[in-house]
Amino acid sequence: DQQVKQNSPSLSVQEGRISILNCDYTNSMFDYFLWYKKYPAEGPTFLISISSIKDKNEDGRFTVFLNKSAKHLSLHIVPSQPGDSAVYFCAANSGGSNYKLTFGKGTLLTVNP
Amino acid sequence: GAVVSQHPSWVICKSGTSVKIECRSLDFQATTMFWYRQFPKQSLMLMATSNEGSKATYEQGVEKDKFLINHASLTLSTLTVTSAHPEDSSFYICSASRVTSSYNSPLHFGNGTRLTVT
Repeated sequence: DQQVKQNSPSLSVQEGRISILNCDYTNSMFDYFLWYKKYPAEGPTFLISISSIKDKNEDGRFTVFLNKSAKHLSLHIVPSQPGDSAVYFCAANSGGSNYKLTFGKGTLLTVNP
Repeated sequence: GAVVSQHPSWVICKSGTSVKIECRSLDFQATTMFWYRQFPKQSLMLMATSNEGSKATYEQGVEKDKFLINHASLTLSTLTVTSAHPEDSSFYICSASRVTSSYNSPLHFGNGTRLTVT
């Protein structure tokens, strides 16, 4: 049972354009969401997060939007750069003292020069 | 920034042997570390939660006798894959959280270990 779903395995975008990566979740107990970026043979690197009390969080070129009623979040990267090419994982956890994350399968973003 | 070091980055072993993977938090103390496993084109799957000074908590379906976890100090957790078989070949990644962080602080991940069992 995939509680965090990233339905697009890959996305290709032109440099300078906007990249939109989507994520859906099924567990209504999730209240904190994170995006991680991962290069091959490396561990994930934290990118940006959002709490369920917010619907938007912005950090430089990266913005995460959360639609709780739709159980959907998205990561916007604008403008996209070739160095953004990587696998992006959506992750979620629920309240409490643990940090256990549930990950989606990831979306491979390719930004073409 | 926080750094989590994982060693080795890759290892090849023969079927039936055991392999130990180390995960260290380099500039912070970590009461809790997590071990994940990733198969190609799949998500990271949590295997177990490693708690300093106590037994690890394993996720459903993960054999605790096969994947031994030891968290002897606030900066080191080890995962030992015992009697490894080819189906254990995978990418293993550890992560750690700071002692004083709220639960919403992001995890810091190691660079992972590629295990190949021949």
